Amino acid sequence: AQSVTQPDIHITVSEGASLELRCNYSYGATPYLFWYVQSPGQGLQLLLKYFSGDTLVQGIKGFEAEFKRSQSSFNLRKPSVHWSDAAEYFCAVGNILTGGGNKLTFGTGTQLKVEL
Amino acid sequence: EAEVAQSPRYKITEKSQAVAFWCDPISGHATLYWYRQILGQGPELLVQFQDESVVDDSQLPKDRFSAERLKGVDSTLKIQPAELGDSAMYLCASSRDRDYEQYFGPGTRLTVT
Repeated sequence: AQSVTQPDIHITVSEGASLELRCNYSYGATPYLFWYVQSPGQGLQLLLKYFSGDTLVQGIKGFEAEFKRSQSSFNLRKPSVHWSDAAEYFCAVGNILTGGGNKLTFGTGTQLKVEL
Repeated sequence: EAEVAQSPRYKITEKSQAVAFWCDPISGHATLYWYRQILGQGPELLVQFQDESVVDDSQLPKDRFSAERLKGVDSTLKIQPAELGDSAMYLCASSRDRDYEQYFGPGTRLTVT
């Protein structure tokens, strides 16, 4: 069964500092990996996704993530954090279903706090 | 930009009462998902529809939860009777057929008292 681990429950960074959120996955085949962001009381917004090809993927809002198969990781990074980035971030692994659609398994999330 | 619509946004109900949530996916999206997100956790898939057919409902507590998508467009998730442990955010998402990207609605926050 697929699973996702986000080892950091809370992270606090200063505005302007760099950010790295960790994600490790367990999946038998080539994974489809995603990062979502959730603001308080809101739904999830897709930041970026990895299906194949270049292991460094660019997303919205200046985020990027690197897929490392040897480490089963898909860490999210941003070179300079803005106060508006404060939110909860979820890593997910997808399993394409033969009946259609894509079953996502989410991690427990990392809550990001940005200090001004 | 098209969005997934959900209503109500907030619902407070007493235990043992019935409650229903509605979702209208992005037009043309064949696949519809219902997730439950308990506070402090990631979303967990409850049920997935492909058009009007259920593809996966393995995590749906069928003794009290039901879901339907009669015409393959909008969907309703029902809980009867509600229990205190059902307090959570209920998220709906949709995707194009065999697409990998899911688009999420704003969710319904359920509080059971």
